[in-house]
Amino acid sequence: EIVLTQSPTTMAASPGEKVTLNCLASSSVSYMNWYQQKSGASPKLWIYGTSNLASGVPNRFSGSGSGTSYSLTISSMEAEDVATYYCLQLSSYPWTFGGGTKLELK
Amino acid sequence: EVQLQESGPGLVKPSQSLSLTCSVTGYSITSNYWGWIRKFPGNKMEWMGYISYSGSTSYNPSLKSRISITRDTSKNQFFLQLNSVTTEDTATYYCARSGGYPRVMDAWGQGASVTVSS
Repeated sequence: EIVLTQSPTTMAASPGEKVTLNCLASSSVSYMNWYQQKSGASPKLWIYGTSNLASGVPNRFSGSGSGTSYSLTISSMEAEDVATYYCLQLSSYPWTFGGGTKLELK
Repeated sequence: EVQLQESGPGLVKPSQSLSLTCSVTGYSITSNYWGWIRKFPGNKMEWMGYISYSGSTSYNPSLKSRISITRDTSKNQFFLQLNSVTTEDTATYYCARSGGYPRVMDAWGQGASVTVSS
């Protein structure tokens, strides 16, 4: 099983601040998907195929990475970005999620 | 637009079976992959398994002896059965569609909260 480790677990960012969330895989994966989950809602596809923004996702978000190291970056933090972000690998069975990064507003 | 909706009991007794239904509208379950994911208290998420467009299944080995995913194509529904539940199976259960290349889990239900307690 591929274990995904997300860091940091929790972080707070000021409006306008650049934010980088990390996802480290225990073995190489072909690509990474990211999900945004707000309190009381189901996860929403946010970034797929490592770097493709899902429909409706603001272009201040970007994704990058390869092999065992992937990241989600917000170029300029906004209040609406407060949420928990999960990475998910579908390259190898069983599919596995990271533990999540809770992003708060400073 | 595809929509998924989970339904089923919110409370299950230990040692019994947990059964949930996912009703799909706007898309046929004879295409793509249809699966179950759960989120535990404390936010850990686990992929449980899926049933494919052809009816084949894939399960997380951590659940393999307890889980069954089936479907009714005439009703465009698929089902989760988890046997011999314990309090550790208390979670919010989501159904979701997967597919495409690169593969993506792109549509989710709203989630069903299930508590295992006597």
